[in-house]
Amino acid sequence: DAMVIQNPRYQVTQFGKPVTLSCSQTLNHNVMYWYQQKSSQAPKLLFHYYDKDFNNEADTPDNFQSRRPNTSFCFLDIRSPGLGDAAMYLCATSRDPDGDINEQFFGPGTRLTVL
Amino acid sequence: GQNIDQPTEMTATEGAIVQINCTYQTSGFNGLFWYQQHAGEAPTFLSYNVLDGLEEKGRFSSFLSRSKGYSYLLLKELQMKDSASYLCAVLDSNYQLIWGAGTKLIIKP
Repeated sequence: DAMVIQNPRYQVTQFGKPVTLSCSQTLNHNVMYWYQQKSSQAPKLLFHYYDKDFNNEADTPDNFQSRRPNTSFCFLDIRSPGLGDAAMYLCATSRDPDGDINEQFFGPGTRLTVL
Repeated sequence: GQNIDQPTEMTATEGAIVQINCTYQTSGFNGLFWYQQHAGEAPTFLSYNVLDGLEEKGRFSSFLSRSKGYSYLLLKELQMKDSASYLCAVLDSNYQLIWGAGTKLIIKP
C-alpha cells in the first residue's frame, strides 16, 4: 500500500542533544511537509519541499532544519532541542499543489519528548 | 491576518447527529478540507469542498458557503469511534493549508 512512514514513532532526547526524525513516502508525491503539533493545537507548518525547492516558514526557528535527499525521503533535524520542542511532528505529502484536490496525506507522526 | 475559527469542544450522544461549524478569513481560497484526528494519531482526510453546497459521503457530509466564509461538517448516526478532533483547514492563495485548532467531539452512550 502506498503510504507515508515516519520513524521513530516515539523519540526521547535530552535537552540540547541533536535529534533527527525521518519520513519516507511511497506515493511519489512532489511535495513533502513537516508540521509541529502540540496538544489541542492546530498543526503548525515548519517547512515544505516542492521537489527539491525548500520553503521555510518565516517563524520557524533556526533550530529546525530539513533535508530532502530524494523524492522519497525527508528529514527533520532539531539541532538543540529545548523543552518547548516537545510535540508531535507530522510529515505529510501531496501531489502538485495546483492540482484539483491538494489533499495532504499524513504519516503516523513522531512524538518527541525532551528530558 | 488569516484565521480559522471552530468550537473547541462539543458533546453528542451515540446515534444522534452533530454539526461542527468552521468560519474562515484567509488570503485567497482554493478549497476547504475537513480532517479527523484521533488522540495521539495523525489527521486523516474526510472531505474537500471548493464549490458552494453540500458534499455527502456516507455518514459524513460537508457544506461550504464561500460568500459567508463558512463551512460545516455533519456527522450522522454517531458511533463511539467518532470521538476525535475534527480539523478544518483552508487552502489559501499560495496553496498553503491554514489550519483551525480543531473541535474535540465527545460521544456519550
